[in-house]
Amino acid sequence: AQSVTQLDSHVSVSEGTPVLLRCNYSSSYSPSLFWYVQHPNKGLQLLLKYTSAATLVKGINGFEAEFKKSETSFHLTKPSAHMSDAAEYFCVVSDQGSSNYKLTFGKGTLLTVNP
Amino acid sequence: DGGITQSPKYLFRKEGQNVTLSCEQNLNHDAMYWYRQDPGQGLRLIYYSQIVNDFQKGDIAEGYSVSREKKESFPLTVTSAQKNPTAFYLCASSPWTGLTGELFFGEGSRLTVL
Repeated sequence: AQSVTQLDSHVSVSEGTPVLLRCNYSSSYSPSLFWYVQHPNKGLQLLLKYTSAATLVKGINGFEAEFKKSETSFHLTKPSAHMSDAAEYFCVVSDQGSSNYKLTFGKGTLLTVNP
Repeated sequence: DGGITQSPKYLFRKEGQNVTLSCEQNLNHDAMYWYRQDPGQGLRLIYYSQIVNDFQKGDIAEGYSVSREKKESFPLTVTSAQKNPTAFYLCASSPWTGLTGELFFGEGSRLTVL
């Protein structure tokens, strides 16, 4: 069985400061991990994905995430927040070799960016 | 532009009524999905379809029904049997159901039961 825990339901940062959104996972097998972003009243968009290649994954809009097997973590970071980054972020896990309908979504972290 | 179109964006329903949410895609994707989103709960899978005329229940299918008569269309009906239907509903598609993790989402339909 797989599960994902987003450690913060809400993160607030100032524009220009670093962003850290935390995600821990549990998976019976080697996991595939993803981060999605959702702007208010919109659908979700894939930011980045880890599927057993490089452990440091770069995504769109300057975001990146590092897969740490020993810590079962996949935290999302960005060096400098922009106002347009304000949104909800979802960490998603699946067992490798599984199917798209086996994705397990975290409960989300709302990112607020203050001017 | 290629994408997924959901309609209506907002919908109000009286208790005891069935409602149908539309989802159309022009991405030529084989697989389509319906998710339900509640505040602070993430996304939960209602139904998915891998091919025309075939669909499977997800984790929370009770009180919902779907059809897949055309590749580009995957409507969701919220029936009166759904006890707590007020939610944000998201339709998604992918080229196939094999794991890529990349789903393409519509902008959602917000259903409110009065």
